[in-house]
Amino acid sequence: DTGVSQNPRHKITKRGQNVTFRCDPISEHNRLYWYRQTLGQGPEFLTYFQNEAQLEKSRLLSDRFSAERPKGSFSTLEIQRTEQGDSAMYLCASSLRSGRILDTQYFGPGTRLTVL
Amino acid sequence: AQTVTQSQPEMSVQEAETVTLSCTYDTSESDYYLFWYKQPPSRQMILVIRQEAYKQQNATENRFSVNFQKAAKSFSLKISDSQLGDAAMYFCAYPLRDNDMRFGAGTRLTVKP
Repeated sequence: DTGVSQNPRHKITKRGQNVTFRCDPISEHNRLYWYRQTLGQGPEFLTYFQNEAQLEKSRLLSDRFSAERPKGSFSTLEIQRTEQGDSAMYLCASSLRSGRILDTQYFGPGTRLTVL
Repeated sequence: AQTVTQSQPEMSVQEAETVTLSCTYDTSESDYYLFWYKQPPSRQMILVIRQEAYKQQNATENRFSVNFQKAAKSFSLKISDSQLGDAAMYFCAYPLRDNDMRFGAGTRLTVKP
């Protein structure tokens, strides 16, 4: 199965530490999205890439958050100086955008972050 | 602002029965897509069904179908012959500006044996 994969699946860290998550999208997909989901809520958009270009960032993405997709394949999401409020599930999704045709976003299993 | 509203935080259905989950949305666009996603307890989001707004015919995928009312901005999901494996959180979603997906708060569906 060549679906979206995310690593690690779980991360526990102490407040103030830096963490980095990785997402590997479906191989032919040119778009990659990051979302954050807190318990009992729907996912909230953080940022997305088309190939290696980061095209949009949500206001939720504070300056402690940075995302990269250096070669247009996998992506990393780094959180610096973590806070307890950063505890959430971080979801990655990918899709294929061709012209004006919008393809479906396929989600990975997520990385659950717990900040102590 | 474009929003997605799911007014039913929880729903329950007897196995083999039919249940309908509600969703309303707000948009000024005329051509767009709408999605229903399922998130089982393992928490991987799975696409259930999608609807293209310019298509008048309601989308159907096996036991899952939608009732799309464009004028009313309503997009409900009907699950027929409910199975225990249908138990999950269901999210209605609308792609904002063709980019980020805007999700509703979700409906937790319980299936009773």
